[in-house]
Amino acid sequence: DAKTTQPNSMESNEEEPVHLPCNHSTISGTDYIHWYRQLPSQGPEYVIHGLTSNVNNRMASLAIAEDRKSSTLILHRATLRDAAVYYCILRDAMDSNYQLIWGAGTKLIIKP
Amino acid sequence: EPEVTQTPSHQVTQMGQEVILRCVPISNHLYFYWYRQILGQKVEFLVSFYNNEISEKSEIFDDQFSVERPDGSNFTLKIRSTKLEDSAMYFCASSAQDRGYKEQYFGPGTRLTVT
Repeated sequence: DAKTTQPNSMESNEEEPVHLPCNHSTISGTDYIHWYRQLPSQGPEYVIHGLTSNVNNRMASLAIAEDRKSSTLILHRATLRDAAVYYCILRDAMDSNYQLIWGAGTKLIIKP
Repeated sequence: EPEVTQTPSHQVTQMGQEVILRCVPISNHLYFYWYRQILGQKVEFLVSFYNNEISEKSEIFDDQFSVERPDGSNFTLKIRSTKLEDSAMYFCASSAQDRGYKEQYFGPGTRLTVT
């Protein structure tokens, strides 16, 4: 799986939108972009994933650059409960590599 | 909403003892995984399991570790002779398929403390 680069930490105010960036300049054509998050003292939680087009679900939106070398996870209205470490992970759809490879992620701090 | 469950939530054991960590994956999922996270460190992959066989394992998953699906619902991780460095959070996960476009769903974890 190709590598991703994320900022170590970000701060945001409660009830404001949050844009979490991820760079993946060596992404291949069959790599899916996955986002997971880990709330304090909890297991990782799937957030969203996409290939080329922007994606929306009940938790977040994923904006993927046209060249696919970067993506942004968007939390439209952050709450204190969104304070977590957010991980951007690439997974090759054609690969039989089963594991998720975790980086350090971005620690999101939400200020009340 | 279906979820992955794990028991116990916290296990304390003495060095050299055997421990079994239990997981109940989401019922229609076919692929199962164990990860671990040492306090303050990254999540690390241990093993994946499909069709009653190990599909992939990491260097961490040595002969002291084993996995089993003893019945149609449980998925277990056994550590035969625990070491101090096995102290960590252990997370079970499951997915409907193994392909890169399928998400994995995680349990809340078991905190293993080896004394």
